Amino acid sequence: QQKVQQSPESLIVPEGAMTSLNCTFSDSASQYFAWYRQHSGKAPKALMSIFSNGEKEEGRFTIHLNKASLHFSLHIRDSQPSDSALYLCAVSHTGGADRLTFGKGTQLIIQP
Amino acid sequence: GGIITQTPKFLIGQEGQKLTLKCQQNFNHDTMYWYRQDSGKGLRLIYYSITENDLQKGDLSEGYDASREKKSSFSLTVTSAQKNEMAVFLCASSMDRGDEQYFGPGTRLTVL
Repeated sequence: QQKVQQSPESLIVPEGAMTSLNCTFSDSASQYFAWYRQHSGKAPKALMSIFSNGEKEEGRFTIHLNKASLHFSLHIRDSQPSDSALYLCAVSHTGGADRLTFGKGTQLIIQP
Repeated sequence: GGIITQTPKFLIGQEGQKLTLKCQQNFNHDTMYWYRQDSGKGLRLIYYSITENDLQKGDLSEGYDASREKKSSFSLTVTSAQKNEMAVFLCASSMDRGDEQYFGPGTRLTVL
């Protein structure tokens, strides 16, 4: 069964700094990798996803995937207080977002 | 745009009681999901459905039943509520199995 682990569990970052969140997975046949963000008391919302090795950038957010090391990460440039939230990584062994296995999350606080 | 509505927002039941949670979406999405989110844990998939009258078990289906009688609605029944399953239950939908999932605001279950 797929195991997905996130680190760190919680993180405090000063406003304007770079935030880096990590996710490792156990199934080397995994094909779809995503990050979701959940503000307190709200529904999780998809941030970014990636299928193949390398990186993908959207605005201040960059996702890196290294399948060989079973690792992907999310980097937030110029972190803002509105980025404070629970960040969940998710992995699927299919080609898309069905049968997602989620990590436990990283609680991010951006300090003004 | 669309919206996912979950009812009730808060559900309080007695141990051993049968309880039903409801989810409606107006995205016209084919696939719908039920997840459980425990404090300090990631989202765990209970059931999903790729079309009307279809049901697929997730990793946490024991103790739950689901029903997809219409494309727009997906209900989850806790067959015998237990105190260790107090959690937030999240419904999600996607256009098809491979697409980004959109989440509802959740139903918080308390078992007395």
